[in-house]
Amino acid sequence: KQEVTQIPAALSVPEGENLVLNCSFTDSAIYNLQWFRQDPGKGLTSLLLIQSSQREQTSGRLNASLDKSSGRSTLYIAASQPGDSATYLCAVRGAGGTSYGKLTFGQGTILTVHP
Amino acid sequence: DAGVIQSPRHEVTEMGQEVTLRCKPISGHDYLFWYRQTMMRGLELLIYFNNNVPIDDSGMPEDRFSAKMPNASFSTLKIQPSEPRDSAVYFCASSFPGTGFGRNTEAFFGQGTRLTVV
Repeated sequence: KQEVTQIPAALSVPEGENLVLNCSFTDSAIYNLQWFRQDPGKGLTSLLLIQSSQREQTSGRLNASLDKSSGRSTLYIAASQPGDSATYLCAVRGAGGTSYGKLTFGQGTILTVHP
Repeated sequence: DAGVIQSPRHEVTEMGQEVTLRCKPISGHDYLFWYRQTMMRGLELLIYFNNNVPIDDSGMPEDRFSAKMPNASFSTLKIQPSEPRDSAVYFCASSFPGTGFGRNTEAFFGQGTRLTVV
């Protein structure tokens, strides 16, 4: 059974810092890994998707890396801003066995960026 | 495309009543997922469909929950009878298969239905 863990559970930083959020997964048989953002009381917004054959993806100040063999991904946020405050979730798409096609989430990292 | 559309956005019902949540996936997507989100348990996958067929319903908490996908453009999640512990936000998501075949394999979420059972 695929299990996804995110560290840290919460993070509070001053504006301008560069941040690293971590995601690990137990089953390396995945199609892709996706990072989402969720604002309080809102739905999930997709930030980045990394296919299993890729090592990283970039969008603006966000950079996500994937090491499938070791079951790890990191989301790097450069020059953080108060508007980045949200919960960040990672999810993996299973490619084998009982997890085929399944989208499994971690518990999320609650990020607070204060001015 | 308008994205994944869920209805209603909010539902308040009395314990014991039947509740039906609705989802319209993005046109052309083969996969549809139902999740429940609470503060205590985070995002839990309840059930997911591929080409309208349920693939894994092991996350459905008990027999009071049922889900159907009668066609490619509509799915329902029903709770009968509802209980206060069912209060949560229910999300629907859709995507192409993970293999992609050259298509964008991102999963897209609806805005959710906030269910309160009193």
